[in-house]
Amino acid sequence: AQTVTQSQPEMSVQEAETVTLSCTYDTSESDYYLFWYKQPPSRQMILVIRQEAYKQQNATENRFSVNFQKAAKSFSLKISDSQLGDAAMYFCAYRSPVSYGNKLVFGAGTILRVKS
Amino acid sequence: SQTIHQWPATLVQPVGSPLSLECTVEGTSNPNLYWYRQAAGRGLQLLFYSVGIGQISSEVPQNLSASRPQDRQFILSSKKLLLSDSGFYLCAWRQAGELFFGEGSRLTVL
Repeated sequence: AQTVTQSQPEMSVQEAETVTLSCTYDTSESDYYLFWYKQPPSRQMILVIRQEAYKQQNATENRFSVNFQKAAKSFSLKISDSQLGDAAMYFCAYRSPVSYGNKLVFGAGTILRVKS
Repeated sequence: SQTIHQWPATLVQPVGSPLSLECTVEGTSNPNLYWYRQAAGRGLQLLFYSVGIGQISSEVPQNLSASRPQDRQFILSSKKLLLSDSGFYLCAWRQAGELFFGEGSRLTVL
């Protein structure tokens, strides 16, 4: 079974600076999908960014980008020019393209604190 | 547009009491639906998922059950709650490979 590991329970970043959240996963599949979700305090979880494993180019969404290292099974999230609104719990997730029900497997999450 | 709602948002229940959390999706048909539980330090654990009416798959053995009586309705239940059932429960549905989550239900079992 696939597993997702987020080794940083908590991270802090100064406003306007850059922070990187780590994620590693374990799988024997060659094709899959990876996601970063953001859960602000008392608000709904939303998708930040997604990456298809067959794409070599790293995904980017405005200030959010990923460093996808397929051989190392690493999928880190970089947040540039951090803003107070970025403070949230961030979850890394994995989805197999062949899993029945298209289930997502999530990591334990990383709490990101942004200091002004 | 599609929306997802779950309720109640907050629930405090005594040990041994029943539970019913409801989730409904609007604006789509035949969605894949999911119940996740979020416990401190343990991330999101998939509890149940459903690919259609009456079709329920359980991921982990536990004190909970799920039902899908209608296409866009997904219910999480328990006959007798345990202390360990406390947590934050999230309903989600899938579209184009992405999960969309409800607002969550915080359950405290005392």
